[in-house]
Amino acid sequence: DAEITQSPRHKITETGRQVTLACHQTWNHNNMFWYRQDLGHGLRLIHYSYGVQDTNKGEVSDGYSVSRSNTEDLPLTLESAASSQTSVYFCASTGTITGELFFGEGSRLTVL
Amino acid sequence: GEDVEQSLFLSVREGDSSVINCTYTDSSSTYLYWYKQEPGAGLQLLTYIFSNMDMKQDQRLTVLLNKKDKHLSLRIADTQTGDSAIYFCAESANNAGNMLTFGGGTRLMVKP
Repeated sequence: DAEITQSPRHKITETGRQVTLACHQTWNHNNMFWYRQDLGHGLRLIHYSYGVQDTNKGEVSDGYSVSRSNTEDLPLTLESAASSQTSVYFCASTGTITGELFFGEGSRLTVL
Repeated sequence: GEDVEQSLFLSVREGDSSVINCTYTDSSSTYLYWYKQEPGAGLQLLTYIFSNMDMKQDQRLTVLLNKKDKHLSLRIADTQTGDSAIYFCAESANNAGNMLTFGGGTRLMVKP
């Protein structure tokens, strides 16, 4: 079955370190997204991509970057992790007419 | 920008009906969605409704849309303990999912 997977599921890092969260989908979807989930804020869009070599900033993109070198993967990089980036990160993809987003299981990141 | 609001918490007894409410501000919303998030998991689409519909029923789920008041509700009939989760309302002005705006989520607790 097609799926979307994230890794690592849990990570603890220190302030200032570079961190990359991986996202891999096997639906061959063109559209992929990264959200962060924080108590009281719901899900907020970080970056999104409509296809290979395409990347766009979302609502809370500062301190994050993405790259899209193939259809399947959209890694999210925190160049210099900050404590404010402690959160649960969700990758999602869509390719359906109804716009249904398919979500990964999430990556919990703690920045100490 | 667009805003989607939900109450934070709802508690019901098993067998009762649950009604989760959502208000949104974007008058150009084309699609409105309800997602369910179980503990430690990503979001899964429960149902969606097109903006030109007033109601959609799917087994125990009934979605009501009042476009004039920009109010969306999700009714779960005969609520079960397995329905305990966080429910997110989301809206999109197009069907690509790229501008999905999520509410903060309503935590539903079902008491036996």
